[in-house]
Amino acid sequence: NAGVTQTPKFRILKIGQSMTLQCTQDMNHNYMYWYRQDPGMGLKLIYYSVGAGITDKGEVPNGYNVSRSTTEDFPLRLELAAPSQTSVYFCAGGGTSTDTQYFGPGTRLTVL
Amino acid sequence: AQSVTQLDSQVPVFEEAPVELRCNYSSSVSVYLFWYVQYPNQGLQLLLKYLSGSTLVKGINGFEAEFNKSQTSFHLRKPSVHISDTAEYFCAVQGRGTYKYIFGTGTRLKVLA
Repeated sequence: NAGVTQTPKFRILKIGQSMTLQCTQDMNHNYMYWYRQDPGMGLKLIYYSVGAGITDKGEVPNGYNVSRSTTEDFPLRLELAAPSQTSVYFCAGGGTSTDTQYFGPGTRLTVL
Repeated sequence: AQSVTQLDSQVPVFEEAPVELRCNYSSSVSVYLFWYVQYPNQGLQLLLKYLSGSTLVKGINGFEAEFNKSQTSFHLRKPSVHISDTAEYFCAVQGRGTYKYIFGTGTRLKVLA
């Protein structure tokens, strides 16, 4: 099993561009999460999903969108990128809400 | 709503010395508590978690934590650290009946030779 995979590993965007961060898991997790990690700020939850077709906002959803059409995939969409979205993004999956969350390796995004 | 406070942003400690990383939380409901570790340029890995039962929880790599409801704390301890324990450690809380984790700001453990 590959676990939770994320692509790309690095990306530089110009202000106003859009992109999709991909997250795929092969562990049949029902629960999936997107976090951003900023220095000294810990991880902030952007969006989460409790199953295919069900998503909800976390602490910092503004400027992002998600979809969950399959159990395996949970892409994060950035529309109109802004410098404030420069961060490291982590996707995670878990079997239940109290299960261990398995994290992907992260995507380092810079918006210039 | 829940919140987590990690009181120390950095903790330097000599190899083979004991260490305690502090975590306090606040919540209006019962909680589940977690400690995760992040090695450089990697995602987070679960060290241990408290869901219910015994308040002393043992995790991987010789770490343990104690849930103290009256003090609203969940401090992480290790009796003897190794150089390889150098990493960032995150405490997280989840309110029962919710799906969201709230992470603390992290404590950077630096083990010195």
